[in-house]
Amino acid sequence: KAGVTQTPRYLIKTRGQQVTLSCSPISGHRSVSWYQQTPGQGLQFLFEYFSETQRNKGNFPGRFSGRQFSNSRSEMNVSTLELGDSALYLCASSLDWGQGHRGSYQETQYFGPGTRLLVL
Amino acid sequence: AQSVSQHNHHVILSEAASLELGCNYSYGGTVNLFWYVQYPGQHLQLLLKYFSGDPLVKGIKGFEAEFIKSKFSFNLRKPSVQWSDTAEYFCAVKASGGYNKLIFGAGTRLAVHP
Repeated sequence: KAGVTQTPRYLIKTRGQQVTLSCSPISGHRSVSWYQQTPGQGLQFLFEYFSETQRNKGNFPGRFSGRQFSNSRSEMNVSTLELGDSALYLCASSLDWGQGHRGSYQETQYFGPGTRLLVL
Repeated sequence: AQSVSQHNHHVILSEAASLELGCNYSYGGTVNLFWYVQYPGQHLQLLLKYFSGDPLVKGIKGFEAEFIKSKFSFNLRKPSVQWSDTAEYFCAVKASGGYNKLIFGAGTRLAVHP
């Protein structure tokens, strides 16, 4: 089974631009989460999508947004890029039967290779 | 707010030495616990996880971890490290009711010298 894929793998943008990153989860996985990894702040949770709905959100400004499509693929968007947005953006997927079945309690997240964004 | 603390930021060992990486979390409720590893140039991979039951869990590549609820700890161990274990190790916690939000520790960079 193919793993989590992310495109593009590398991206260079300039301040003020916007960027869209894409994530394809493992086949059959319904939950997609996004994380930002930087040397200074480490790994920080951005948001999680399940069934095309944002289910949880981290402490990031509104410039960071995302969405999930009916096939569970997800995109995240960063508008008005700042130098500090330079980071590795990681996507993770999990099977997640959702509340009402097992819930999302005992779920494992599997990570993609990430998109490395450099803002100049 | 939930947090995860990894005590050692950098660890240097010789091959065959034993390894223990500390991880403590702050959350009073039920948690899922994970250790992930990031080898140079590779993506985050799951080493092991604890959901419930036996507090001593075994993972891939000879790693194990022990959940001590009273100490809010989930320390990672390996009796004999190899050069190929050189990587960054992350402890992560997911709180019950937190859906799939993982809170990560700052990571520990392990360098193993031949």
